[in-house]
Amino acid sequence: DQQVKQNSPSLSVQEGRISILNCDYTNSMFDYFLWYKKYPAEGPTFLISISSIKDKNEDGRFTVFLNKSAKHLSLHIVPSQPGDSAVYFCAASGWSSGSARQLTFGSGTQLTVLP
Amino acid sequence: DGGITQSPKYLFRKEGQNVTLSCEQNLNHDAMYWYRQDPGQGLRLIYYSQIVNDFQKGDIAEGYSVSREKKESFPLTVTSAQKNPTAFYLCASTPQGGLKGNIQYFGAGTRLSVL
Repeated sequence: DQQVKQNSPSLSVQEGRISILNCDYTNSMFDYFLWYKKYPAEGPTFLISISSIKDKNEDGRFTVFLNKSAKHLSLHIVPSQPGDSAVYFCAASGWSSGSARQLTFGSGTQLTVLP
Repeated sequence: DGGITQSPKYLFRKEGQNVTLSCEQNLNHDAMYWYRQDPGQGLRLIYYSQIVNDFQKGDIAEGYSVSREKKESFPLTVTSAQKNPTAFYLCASTPQGGLKGNIQYFGAGTRLSVL
C-alpha cells in the first residue's frame, strides 16, 4: 500500500520554463512534507519542506504547495535550469508506532530540463 | 566538514557471505536510518535507531542486522538470509525533536552487487 505516490515517473521541460512535480498521499497523520533531489549514484539532498499548518513555502526558485483537503502537494521550479535535471522524491513525515518520526518516500520523478 | 560518510562506495557479495556497510556521522545527530533503493522505486526503510544501544525494524528488516554502539556509527550487515541484496543502500541521520527532526540528511550511498 503506497502511502505516498508520485504518478509521473518522468517530466521534460524546456530551460527557463516552469517545472511542476506532483505528489499525492493517503495517510492523514502525515504532518510534514519534504522534497529531495537526487543525482545518480549519490544520496538524496534536502530541497524544501512544508508543515501541514501552511499551504505554501518558497525558497528562491523553489515553491512547495500543499492542499490538505486533496492530500496533494506540488513542487514548482521557476525558472528551470539544466542543472535541475535529477530525480525528485517527495517524502512525508509522521510518528511511527516506535515513537520516532519516519519518512515515507514516493517513487520519484525524473526531471529533465532541456537547453 | 560535518556530514555522513558511507563506505565502501561499491561492494560485492558472494553467495552465503555476510557483508557490512559502514555509516559514520559527525553531525551529532541522535537518530540514524538505513534505506534501500531499487531501480524505479522510492527509498524503503530497513532499520532505524533513535539512541545508542537501541534500534527498531523498518518495513524490510528481514535479512539485515544493525548495531548502534556509538552515537556516530550505525553499521548495517547484509546477511546470507537476504536473498536479493543487490541494491543501492543509503544511510541518513537527523537531530531529534522539533521541525528539524523531520529533515533527514543522507550519505552518498553504497552500491551492493552479488557475484
